[in-house]
Amino acid sequence: AQSVTQLDSQVPVFEEAPVELRCNYSSSVSVYLFWYVQYPNQGLQLLLKYLSGSTLVKGINGFEAEFNKSQTSFHLRKPSVHISDTAEYFCAVIDWGSSYKLIFGSGTRLLVRP
Amino acid sequence: DAGVIQSPRHEVTEMGQEVTLRCKPISGHNSLFWYRQTMMRGLELLIYFNNNVPIDDSGMPEDRFSAKMPNASFSTLKIQPSEPRDSAVYFCASGQTGSQETQYFGPGTRLLVL
Repeated sequence: AQSVTQLDSQVPVFEEAPVELRCNYSSSVSVYLFWYVQYPNQGLQLLLKYLSGSTLVKGINGFEAEFNKSQTSFHLRKPSVHISDTAEYFCAVIDWGSSYKLIFGSGTRLLVRP
Repeated sequence: DAGVIQSPRHEVTEMGQEVTLRCKPISGHNSLFWYRQTMMRGLELLIYFNNNVPIDDSGMPEDRFSAKMPNASFSTLKIQPSEPRDSAVYFCASGQTGSQETQYFGPGTRLLVL
């Protein structure tokens, strides 16, 4: 069964520093990949997604992610974070065969300090 | 666009009581999803509707849970009788089949069963 691993439960970082949030998935079949962000007491908002094509995907709020098929990874990056980026970030995957079933990772809490 | 609307936003009830959560998907979307988020289990898909028909209810925990979608603009998730272990945040999400699998999440209903 498909699974998603987010290795870091929490990532503290200073404002204006770069950050990388790691995500690995288990399946060797073709997948769609997503990053969602959840601000406190809110629902999930789509940051970016990879469906096909260029392995570097750019999203909202200055985030980007790179799909690496050989390493089954989809790490999220931002070159300079803001206090407002403090939130929970979820990596998720859909198998091509499923077409709808999002499998979520456990989430990484990004804590940006001044 | 108002986005996915959920009500109530917060619900506190006593064990044994019936709880009904409501969702209005984005107009024009034909897929609807109910998720549950807990600290222990993360985000789990409970049920998936397509064109108002339940397609996958394998995530519904037990018979105490039921979901309906009487029309394209409304869905309910009912728990009867409720138990303390049902305490969680319940999210509704909607999407459009063939629209690159993106799901749009509502703000969630935070349920506390005492």
